[in-house]
Amino acid sequence: GAGVSQSPSNKVTEKGKDVELRCDPISGHTALYWYRQSLGQGLEFLIYFQGNSAPDKSGLPSDRFSAERTGGSVSTLTIQRTQQEDSAVYLCASSLVQGDGYTFGSGTRLTVV
Amino acid sequence: AQSVTQLDSQVPVFEEAPVELRCNYSSSVSVYLFWYVQYPNQGLQLLLKYLSGSTLVKSINGFEAEFNKSQTSFHLRKPSVHISDTAEYFCAVIPNTGGFKTIFGAGTRLFVKA
Repeated sequence: GAGVSQSPSNKVTEKGKDVELRCDPISGHTALYWYRQSLGQGLEFLIYFQGNSAPDKSGLPSDRFSAERTGGSVSTLTIQRTQQEDSAVYLCASSLVQGDGYTFGSGTRLTVV
Repeated sequence: AQSVTQLDSQVPVFEEAPVELRCNYSSSVSVYLFWYVQYPNQGLQLLLKYLSGSTLVKSINGFEAEFNKSQTSFHLRKPSVHISDTAEYFCAVIPNTGGFKTIFGAGTRLFVKA
């Protein structure tokens, strides 16, 4: 596609429920990233996928968080048993080569009530 | 490991005044440097980047940044700001030795007043 697409744009969920966030990167971009942006804070790295290599999961805050990338394209970030502290904007980005920088999606605003 | 420090969390400035947003980084290896901008209610966009060569890099909307290796800085400047420049600005680094993970600073909120 022309840009990085994320869905849903907004999600309100009850504490304890599971949520799935979707990211459709730019076609042909081999690298895909998930970051989290909390109110008044910077971007927190969560996970990245690079081609067929094993993903770098070093930023996932707990085992309630997981992500997969199917067919080297679409990625899904899953948060199980959501907690209020999970409320944030979840950003997806993709890139082709290292020096290009990232192209970000518009994000999914998650609110856990 | 890399880290990025943006020294000002908020910078208020009057329209048509000059502005400098400060960024310092720490890294044991050489890095590529980026500035991203996030306008209100929008996603992040790449503003400019330094990969190699001339240490002064410019964006299409009048911003420029200078890489200073000795001071490990990459400050962002604009000689005359507009109301439309109101946004949050993020400085970021990625090691140029391989790997794709970018480290972001905490952001500087630029507020341009009329």
